[in-house]
Amino acid sequence: GAGVSQSPSNKVTEKGKDVELRCDPISGHTALYWYRQRLGQGLEFLIYFQGNSAPDKSGLPSDRFSAERTGESVSTLTIQRTQQEDSAVYLCASSSPAGGKNEQFFGPGTRLTVL
Amino acid sequence: AQKITQTQPGMFVQEKEAVTLDCTYDTSDPSYGLFWYKQPSSGEMIFLIYQGSYDQQNATEGRYSLNFQKARKSANLVISASQLGDSAMYFCAMRVNFGNEKLTFGTGTRLTIIP
Repeated sequence: GAGVSQSPSNKVTEKGKDVELRCDPISGHTALYWYRQRLGQGLEFLIYFQGNSAPDKSGLPSDRFSAERTGESVSTLTIQRTQQEDSAVYLCASSSPAGGKNEQFFGPGTRLTVL
Repeated sequence: AQKITQTQPGMFVQEKEAVTLDCTYDTSDPSYGLFWYKQPSSGEMIFLIYQGSYDQQNATEGRYSLNFQKARKSANLVISASQLGDSAMYFCAMRVNFGNEKLTFGTGTRLTIIP
């Protein structure tokens, strides 16, 4: 079956522009997560959706970052007025919470470069 | 708050030898899960192995095993009979159960297998 997909795979933008990153989770997965990975570093949690509600937005670094999810499907992460420090790979993951392992399946990521 | 510490930024291992990647964690929650992910140069995150905090036995998945020492709060990954394809970044991660489903990641260990 299809895995988590993300688009675009690469995005180059100019400082101050807005960008939208898209994530298509695995069909049937109710939980969706966004993470950020700066060059050479581990993953930082940004936001978690259960269905289309976001019970945990604690990782969003500033009010320039927002995310939404349509039903139990596609999610978009929007970064307004991008800054050079926003350059990173943005990874999306989905899971089907049922206790136990609740493994998160990751997409290939979107590499964002802010010039 | 949860914290994951990986103290080995890089490791070089001869092909066919076993390798242990260190991971220590910190949490006050009694119920949690520990994960290891592999990230090759392609950037994808590949789930390797999971250990629940109440699991009595160490987890094993093929050549991967997790040396779980609860009292020491350590969850080291052991790879037996290393192969060239094992060269990658390896991340240890933790999820506290009940409520917050996010993964907290360590900074990773870059493993290089030498032929």
